[in-house]
Amino acid sequence: DAKTTQPNSMESNEEEPVHLPCNHSTISGTDYIHWYRQLPSQGPEYVIHGLTSNVNNRMASLAIAEDRKSSTLILHRATLRDAAVYYCILRDLDDYKLSFGAGTTVTVRA
Amino acid sequence: GAGVSQSPSNKVTEKGKDVELRCDPISGHTALYWYRQSLGQGLEFLIYFQGNSAPDKSGLPSDRFSAERTGGSVSTLTIQRTQQEDSAVYLCASSPHSGQALQPQHFGDGTRLSIL
Repeated sequence: DAKTTQPNSMESNEEEPVHLPCNHSTISGTDYIHWYRQLPSQGPEYVIHGLTSNVNNRMASLAIAEDRKSSTLILHRATLRDAAVYYCILRDLDDYKLSFGAGTTVTVRA
Repeated sequence: GAGVSQSPSNKVTEKGKDVELRCDPISGHTALYWYRQSLGQGLEFLIYFQGNSAPDKSGLPSDRFSAERTGGSVSTLTIQRTQQEDSAVYLCASSPHSGQALQPQHFGDGTRLSIL
């Protein structure tokens, strides 16, 4: 299975942007890049996904490198509520089982 | 609208007892998943239901674990003769359709199970 690598932790100030990197050098052509996050004492929450082109939604933006070997989740203006563990995963079209690694723990300072 | 609901939110029980965990998926979602998350660990897949198809039970760690889904909606995960290593957060998720990476999974807040 293709794997992802993320930094263990990142810190940000409130109302500043946060850029969360994810490396996936062994990604295959049919793998989609998905991001989930998990707030304390809550279940995981879907954030965004993409294949090749950059994607935007109300929660975040996803910037995908041209060679698809890396991507960056962008939170445009961090709030205290964005403090969570963020998981970057790869999913093939037939892959219904989610599997998270350690993720990146994001801390937001007021 | 209503999200995935799990009950109880917390369960403390003695080793050797049986426990039942309940999941109410989002209305209309045909796919339902159970996962567990141990302290400091990642997400571990347990079982998956899709419509009337046979469930994928490949992630169940032992025959003490079983799950059913009645009427294509509510699901119950049962753990018999609980052991201390069963202590974890048990998460349920649902999605409109399985087998497609475009479909995000919607999670409940889990049941925190503690075995004394």
